[in-house]
Amino acid sequence: EDQVTQSPEALRLQEGESSSLNCSYTVSGLRGLFWYRQDPGKGPEFLFTLYSAGEEKEKERLKATLTKKESFLHITAPKPEDSATYLCALGNAGNMLTFGGGTRLMVKP
Amino acid sequence: SQTIHQWPATLVQPVGSPLSLECTVEGTSNPNLYWYRQAAGRGLQLLFYSVGIGQISSEVPQNLSASRPQDRQFILSSKKLLLSDSGFYLCAWSTHLRVGTADTQYFGPGTRLTVL
Repeated sequence: EDQVTQSPEALRLQEGESSSLNCSYTVSGLRGLFWYRQDPGKGPEFLFTLYSAGEEKEKERLKATLTKKESFLHITAPKPEDSATYLCALGNAGNMLTFGGGTRLMVKP
Repeated sequence: SQTIHQWPATLVQPVGSPLSLECTVEGTSNPNLYWYRQAAGRGLQLLFYSVGIGQISSEVPQNLSASRPQDRQFILSSKKLLLSDSGFYLCAWSTHLRVGTADTQYFGPGTRLTVL
């Protein structure tokens, strides 16, 4: 059974304090690892898709990386506007996504 | 560009009342469509998905149903709501672009449903 576990559940950072969010997974056949950002009361916003171990993608202060067992979302010099819940999701051979519970990020000025 | 709409944005309904939530997608043809529910503080749970008009697959047994009367319209319904149906309902769409990979799903703004 596909499983996705995100840690930590919540993370408080000072503005400018870099950190990483973790997404550990088990899947019989990886068809993509997806990262989303979700603001309170809104739908998730797509950030990245990673398909194979060693792949990296960047967007502004965010960088996503992928290994055979986990993915990291690195946040460099975060700003208060980066505060949100970050979700990772596992794509399987049935073309379905299994979501993790999310990491709630709070960046204080 | 593609856009996805959901309505209503918020809904408060009594237990036992019917439900109809609507989702429409613009700017794409023959999308895959999905309904998810997100309970407070929890992850997304897939409820239904559709690969075409009239084709609905259910992931979780419940008192909800889904229909796809048109290519870019997806409707979530219930005949009698339960307290446990409260949550944030999200519609998503995707198109299959890359062989051997899962589709990227794009989400709508959601509907907050409170059952009292």
